[in-house]
Amino acid sequence: EAGVAQSPRYKIIEKRQSVAFWCNPISGHATLYWYQQILGQGPKLLIQFQNNGVVDDSQLPKDRFSAERLKGVDSTLKIQPAKLEDSAVYLCASSSTGSGNTIYFGEGSWLTVV
Amino acid sequence: GQNIDQPTEMTATEGAIVQINCTYQTSGFNGLFWYQQHAGEAPTFLSYNVLDGLEEKGRFSSFLSRSKGYSYLLLKELQMKDSASYLCAVRPHGEYGNKLVFGAGTILRVKS
Repeated sequence: EAGVAQSPRYKIIEKRQSVAFWCNPISGHATLYWYQQILGQGPKLLIQFQNNGVVDDSQLPKDRFSAERLKGVDSTLKIQPAKLEDSAVYLCASSSTGSGNTIYFGEGSWLTVV
Repeated sequence: GQNIDQPTEMTATEGAIVQINCTYQTSGFNGLFWYQQHAGEAPTFLSYNVLDGLEEKGRFSSFLSRSKGYSYLLLKELQMKDSASYLCAVRPHGEYGNKLVFGAGTILRVKS
């Protein structure tokens, strides 16, 4: 079974530039998550999708971050304009619907803003 | 609010046993997860507890006490490859789907 796919793996941009990350979840998983993990911290949820609808985006900085999952499968997370403090790993994860189901993470997209 | 505490770092010797503690204060509780994360890699699922008691899975065991807001991950027969960060995560009660709130992680260093 293929895991959660993410690209690009690494990205370096200057502040005020834009960047986009792509994620393809495990086949059949209805729930997709984007987490931000700053070095030395645990992952923090940015946004959660159920199919193509947003379930929780309470911690997404909406003035600069946006995400979509138009067809309920793959998803894109965009940052525009980037700030230095956005330097982090952006982890995409997915799970099937239901209580207790395991969340599976992708390998992450490493962003450095200089 | 949500607060999850775990030690920042621990060191143990190959072949030994180590216990990583996690305490939590959340707006509700509907399960506690442990993940392992090697440097530069994705977190991988280790264990899940929703009822009080011990869950054993090979060299790894996880314990939960809901009344105390406490869990621990027990690693036996430590191997060098167990050097990693161990993340404690709680699913608050009533949250749709499986949203998890993570602690900062405990970096475990296994020495020979």
